[in-house]
Amino acid sequence: GDSVTQMEGPVTLSEEAFLTINCTYTATGYPSLFWYVQYPGEGLQLLLKATKADDKGSNKGFEATYRKETTSFHLEKGSVQVSDSAVYFCALRNQAGTALIFGKGTTLSVSS
Amino acid sequence: DVKVTQSSRYLVKRTGEKVFLECVQDMDHENMFWYRQDPGLGLRLIYFSYDVKMKEKGDIPEGYSVSREKKERFSLILESASTNQTSMYLCASSTPVGRGGGYTFGSGTRLTVV
Repeated sequence: GDSVTQMEGPVTLSEEAFLTINCTYTATGYPSLFWYVQYPGEGLQLLLKATKADDKGSNKGFEATYRKETTSFHLEKGSVQVSDSAVYFCALRNQAGTALIFGKGTTLSVSS
Repeated sequence: DVKVTQSSRYLVKRTGEKVFLECVQDMDHENMFWYRQDPGLGLRLIYFSYDVKMKEKGDIPEGYSVSREKKERFSLILESASTNQTSMYLCASSTPVGRGGGYTFGSGTRLTVV
């Protein structure tokens, strides 16, 4: 079945460092891909999405490009801030599906 | 501001109790979902519903049931709570895939079964 694999954390960075969180997927057809963020004590919020190959989603300085050839959707940010500390989830929804399938989440901790 | 509201933020129940977790959305969304979130396991889908009185099993439906009598409300029921159901429960709603399908999540209910 469809699945999402993302790098295990925690990821610990200093402020202004470069961030990459790897995400790869297994799915038939052409799924839509998402990154969600969960701040402490809150529910998940959509960070960015891409619905077709080579699309780049971006928001709040974060970017991810839908790479069908490598079945990947890696999350990047050029300069992280303390306020970016959160859990990040990669997710997919296949063409026939209604529900999102999530990765296990990656905890990011940024220190000043 | 559109929202998904879960009735309780924290809940403590005893083993064997029947537990109701309530979720209400004000966005007129067709789809609603219940996930549980556990450390190291991410989010796992329990049940979802794409219309009133309709329900579909997710990946881990055992020990749970759901009810959707009105479009805005989706209830998760633990028929006889057990300690392995201690978890964070997240409700979400979305439009159909053909209309973007974006999810909105509630803030979660942290359930402890003792």
